[in-house]
Amino acid sequence: QAVVTQEPSLTVSPGGTVTLTCGSSAGAVTSGQDPYWIQQKPGQAPRTLIYDTTNKHSWTPARFSGSLLGGKAALTLSGAQPEDEADYYCLLSYSGGQVFGGGTKLTVL
Amino acid sequence: QVQLVESGGGVVQPGRSRRLSCAASGFTFSNYGMHWVRQAPGKGLECVAVISYDGNNKFYADSVKGRFTISRDNSKNTLYLQMNSLRIEDTAVYYCAKDPSKEGGYGMDVWGQGTTVTVSS
Repeated sequence: QAVVTQEPSLTVSPGGTVTLTCGSSAGAVTSGQDPYWIQQKPGQAPRTLIYDTTNKHSWTPARFSGSLLGGKAALTLSGAQPEDEADYYCLLSYSGGQVFGGGTKLTVL
Repeated sequence: QVQLVESGGGVVQPGRSRRLSCAASGFTFSNYGMHWVRQAPGKGLECVAVISYDGNNKFYADSVKGRFTISRDNSKNTLYLQMNSLRIEDTAVYYCAKDPSKEGGYGMDVWGQGTTVTVSS
């Protein structure tokens, strides 16, 4: 089964911009793998922010956006807020099922 | 609004069984695939099982294959996870989640609040 890789941790300043990435051991990530981005704040259930690479749910703050970047899926946060401090997981689909990345712990400091 | 409420968690001895339930409301349950996802203490998310809208197609993680069974009762708008031969490493918060597709092959758009299973002697 493929391994999905993410940065273990990143730090962004309030108001700053940061990009989280999601790679696959099986090769370049494509839109056909329907990349998802899921946010989990401490002590809370996960919440899906981005689906199918770029699409946002009604509850997704406008400052979050998804894309493909250099063979990886990417989540960009523009204008970071203190409440964005959380763990972020990507999810990729393969023929054998769906696989989560290990998560990125984002600190807003 | 769309809501998923898990129940059935608790402390269980190794080798024993437990059944989790997930009550769905706010959407047409019988039209969507459903997932169970778990999170061990201090760890990341892991796909456990997925079931299609009609219950005819199921997929399991290798770590639970042969021990766990996912099922659904569309007349009761409820998803189940039967967990047998439980191991210490099955200790986790178990979340149910709705898939945006009928077959359950995309991802999770709505999540429940989770139920905790602790396997301990």
